[in-house]
Amino acid sequence: DGGITQSPKYLFRKEGQNVTLSCEQNLNHDAMYWYRQDPGQGLRLIYYSQIVNDFQKGDIAEGYSVSREKKESFPLTVTSAQKNPTAFYLCASSSLPGESSNQPQHFGDGTRLSIL
Amino acid sequence: AQKITQTQPGMFVQEKEAVTLDCTYDTSDPSYGLFWYKQPSSGEMIFLIYQGSYDQQNATEGRYSLNFQKARKSANLVISASQLGDSAMYFCAMREHGSGNTGKLIFGQGTTLQVKP
Repeated sequence: DGGITQSPKYLFRKEGQNVTLSCEQNLNHDAMYWYRQDPGQGLRLIYYSQIVNDFQKGDIAEGYSVSREKKESFPLTVTSAQKNPTAFYLCASSSLPGESSNQPQHFGDGTRLSIL
Repeated sequence: AQKITQTQPGMFVQEKEAVTLDCTYDTSDPSYGLFWYKQPSSGEMIFLIYQGSYDQQNATEGRYSLNFQKARKSANLVISASQLGDSAMYFCAMREHGSGNTGKLIFGQGTTLQVKP
């Protein structure tokens, strides 16, 4: 079945440590997105990418980095510069908006990140 | 600036009754799309329904319908015949089709719905 796979489901970070969240999709989507969700809140965009080897900052990019070396993969690194990383992280993908504007973003099951 | 507002942090509904979840939006882009997602306690985001700004009719999808009032900039979700499995958080989101057409979604704060047996 086509879908988005995020791993790990739970992740713990020590002080001063960088951690990487994995996101893989087999939907052949060009666009991929990373969101952060704090408890009881909506989703906020961290980074997005519309094409391989290109990505743009979202609304809360500070303390995060991404790469897009393959169409299927869009890993997110939470760096030590992110002082409050505890949150639920969701990865999404979609076809390019110009191709089909009514197509929704498809989401993975998320990764819960906590500080040790 | 674009914005989505969901004014109901929490809602209760009796099983088998209908419920309306409110969503208002703000945008200067004449072309946009509105989405509703359901997020159960497990965390995944489930797409429910879509309404385009130029659509003449309100969207419907099974028990879900969208009450789209363009002049008032509102896109309320109506769930008919509520079921216990409808208990979840519901998010309204908007995608502007101008501004480089990035496909970014802007989310509201969400409404938590609890269905009572």
